[in-house]
Amino acid sequence: AQSVTQLGSHVSVSEGALVLLRCNYSSSVPPYLFWYVQYPNQGLQLLLKYTTGATLVKGINGFEAEFKKSETSFHLTKPSAHMSDAAEYFCAVSDPLISGGYNKLIFGAGTRLAVHP
Amino acid sequence: GAGVSQTPSNKVTEKGKYVELRCDPISGHTALYWYRQSLGQGPEFLIYFQGTGAADDSGLPNDRFFAVRPEGSVSTLKIQRTERGDSAVYLCASSPRGLAVNEQFFGPGTRLTVL
Repeated sequence: AQSVTQLGSHVSVSEGALVLLRCNYSSSVPPYLFWYVQYPNQGLQLLLKYTTGATLVKGINGFEAEFKKSETSFHLTKPSAHMSDAAEYFCAVSDPLISGGYNKLIFGAGTRLAVHP
Repeated sequence: GAGVSQTPSNKVTEKGKYVELRCDPISGHTALYWYRQSLGQGPEFLIYFQGTGAADDSGLPNDRFFAVRPEGSVSTLKIQRTERGDSAVYLCASSPRGLAVNEQFFGPGTRLTVL
């Protein structure tokens, strides 16, 4: 069965510092991978996704993630944190071969990012 | 354009009562998903609709949970004989087609509290 592990339920960085949020997955086949962000009292918003092709994926708000099959990882990074990046971030996987060709998402437990001045 | 909307935003009920949670997807989206997010956890899949039919309801925890989408647009998640363990945020998402590569657009959720 698929699963997602996000290391660190809370991450705190200084404004301007590198953001690194870790995600490891378990899947029998190369999955589709997603990062979502959740701001308080708002719905989940897609940051970026990997399906096929280039393993370095760029998303919105300056975020990017790299799919590393050998490490079964899809870590999220941003070179310089802004105060507005404070939110909860969720990594998710989808395996169309198991899920019948539709996008049933399996989420990690989430990482809450705090950005301090 | 309008995003996914969910009503009510908050629902407080007593143990044993019946509740209905409503989801209005983005117009034209044929795929609709329900997830449940318990405190401190990521969303968990409940059910998926393609059009009017439930294509996958494997995530519904038991037969107290039921969902419908009679006209292929609005969906209602129904919970009978609520229990305290049902307390969570219930999320709805829609996508243009039920394809794995398509982005799911999430609503803000309904926070259900069972006393």
